Amino acid sequence: DAMVIQNPRYQVTQFGKPVTLSCSQTLNHNVMYWYQQKSSQAPKLLFHYYDKDFNNEADTPDNFQSRRPNTSFCFLDIRSPGLGDAAMYLCATWGGQGARNYGYTFGSGTRLTVV
Amino acid sequence: GQNIDQPTEMTATEGAIVQINCTYQTSGFNGLFWYQQHAGEAPTFLSYNVLDGLEEKGRFSSFLSRSKGYSYLLLKELQMKDSASYLCAVYNDYKLSFGAGTTVTVRA
Repeated sequence: DAMVIQNPRYQVTQFGKPVTLSCSQTLNHNVMYWYQQKSSQAPKLLFHYYDKDFNNEADTPDNFQSRRPNTSFCFLDIRSPGLGDAAMYLCATWGGQGARNYGYTFGSGTRLTVV
Repeated sequence: GQNIDQPTEMTATEGAIVQINCTYQTSGFNGLFWYQQHAGEAPTFLSYNVLDGLEEKGRFSSFLSRSKGYSYLLLKELQMKDSASYLCAVYNDYKLSFGAGTTVTVRA
């Protein structure tokens, strides 16, 4: 059973039209992350939540926002998608000290296409 | 800053052994992970090293030298299904920083 669920698996959006990607988890992990991964590149951390504390990476564009209304859900909002924002977006959770043995739990990812 | 380097591509024959090297220079270090990623899918956990030395898990082994900022992933008895990208990632302060990945192609 999937423990970190991302919807949708594939998303097509129009240039400049706001889009929201969603992530939910059944693990009750307190840390959630959003990564952007472009083809043949390393996953790039956009931001993470430690409980309700939001942590933005210094180089994350203002165009990207996030919300975490409760422990289970986290959203990635792209306010005005550009062609350069087409990528795989990965949501992940971290379960605390015990997670050192297995690292993040990843969702299946959402592949975003901008047309 | 974070700098994590690994080769872009490697090719090997089914049944052979392949070693993927990773060197890192990071502002902090609390462990190193290796992940496997098939095309279009999310990364899956392979191994974790926090102390120097070799960790063995079936056909996969991972080695770490903290003083040298160096790790490798060893894949033995290669199978066609091992064709994938392998990501090296350094853990620090609740965050993983990833290398760009090494694409391994296994040929019959």
